[in-house]
Amino acid sequence: DAGVTQSPTHLIKTRGQQVTLRCSPKSGHDTVSWYQQALGQGPQFIFQYYEEEERQRGNFPDRFSGHQFPNYSSELNVNALLLGDSALYLCASRRRRAGTEAFFGQGTRLTVV
Amino acid sequence: AQSVSQHNHHVILSEAASLELGCNYSYGGTVNLFWYVQYPGQHLQLLLKYFSGDPLVKGIKGFEAEFIKSKFSFNLRKPSVQWSDTAEYFCAVNAGSSNTGKLIFGQGTTLQVKP
Repeated sequence: DAGVTQSPTHLIKTRGQQVTLRCSPKSGHDTVSWYQQALGQGPQFIFQYYEEEERQRGNFPDRFSGHQFPNYSSELNVNALLLGDSALYLCASRRRRAGTEAFFGQGTRLTVV
Repeated sequence: AQSVSQHNHHVILSEAASLELGCNYSYGGTVNLFWYVQYPGQHLQLLLKYFSGDPLVKGIKGFEAEFIKSKFSFNLRKPSVQWSDTAEYFCAVNAGSSNTGKLIFGQGTTLQVKP
């Protein structure tokens, strides 16, 4: 049973470019959340998707957007990249019912130069 | 705003020493509480969780945590650490409805266990 898988594992982009990160949830999970983890910090919630809609959003600008597909996989898009967007981006999945915990992928390390 | 505070940023212990990592949160309502661990080069893994019931929660690898509602705390403990416990530890809170997926994390504690 595969856990949460993310691609790519590493990425280098130039300021101003756009990036798309991908996530496949753990089997049986229908809810996907994205987090940004800067070096030396805890993960920060970006947004959550279920039933193909954004349901909750953290304190991130509109440059951060996402999508969830019918098979529950998800994408995170970041436009107009800034140097400060360099971070580890984590995807977490869970079953959308009370009393369930989130499972995390290994993350995508994004470096903006 | 909801927040989670981990008091110890970097802890160094010798093997067999006891461990306690502090975690406090700011939210007055119902909370679900978690400790996650990140071993070097690996993804975040759940150590233990509290949703309701017995405030003393036992997790994997001999870890436990105690939820003290009056102190807004959820400290992590282990009686005797091993070298393999070297990792980064994160406390997280899921506030409000237990059906929400938003986790608020502390900034983490790096634990280094010397053999």
